[in-house]
Amino acid sequence: GIQVEQSPPDLILQEGANSTLRCNFSDSVNNLQWFHQNPWGQLINLFYIPSGTKQNGRLSATTVATERYSLLYISSSQTTDSGVYFCAVALTGANSKLTFGKGITLSVRP
Amino acid sequence: DAGVIQSPRHEVTEMGQEVTLRCKPISGHNSLFWYRQTMMRGLELLIYFNNNVPIDDSGMPEDRFSAKMPNASFSTLKIQPSEPRDSAVYFCASKGQGTAYEQYFGPGTRLTVT
Repeated sequence: GIQVEQSPPDLILQEGANSTLRCNFSDSVNNLQWFHQNPWGQLINLFYIPSGTKQNGRLSATTVATERYSLLYISSSQTTDSGVYFCAVALTGANSKLTFGKGITLSVRP
Repeated sequence: DAGVIQSPRHEVTEMGQEVTLRCKPISGHNSLFWYRQTMMRGLELLIYFNNNVPIDDSGMPEDRFSAKMPNASFSTLKIQPSEPRDSAVYFCASKGQGTAYEQYFGPGTRLTVT
């Protein structure tokens, strides 16, 4: 099956700092999503981004499908950004099921 | 829109008991997914339905697990009999028609089997 690798596994930031989270995947995909799992366990949709670049406030994401990676940028981090960030992909074709990476644990300190 | 609704939010049960988890997808979505999250295995797909029909149940761990979708607005995941290793957070997700749509997750059910 498809492999999804996220890096770094853990990240500690001071409030106000910027960060880049990376997701590498091993095959062609037609769906790539970034999620934030907050401390209460909820999975919040951040981006649906199988290719290209999107921005939403302090967050932005870029997927280079031909090179099989995606990046999530967090600018001016806040303590509420803490949690686990997951990248999930679905293979090109009829298969809709998402394969998740192991996640990146982000701690933003005041 | 209310989003994906799951019940119960928390379930504590004793080994050997039957457990039923429930999910209501977002109205108009035609695909429904059940995922399980554990520390050891992360987030993994158990089964998914398209237009109420099970398409891929290869992630269902064993015969003790079963899932149904009797109509477009309701699905259940049943574990009978439950075991302590089934303790996990179970998420339901739904998405619209076609392969190129994002999935939306419910709040999850935290299951503890003692």
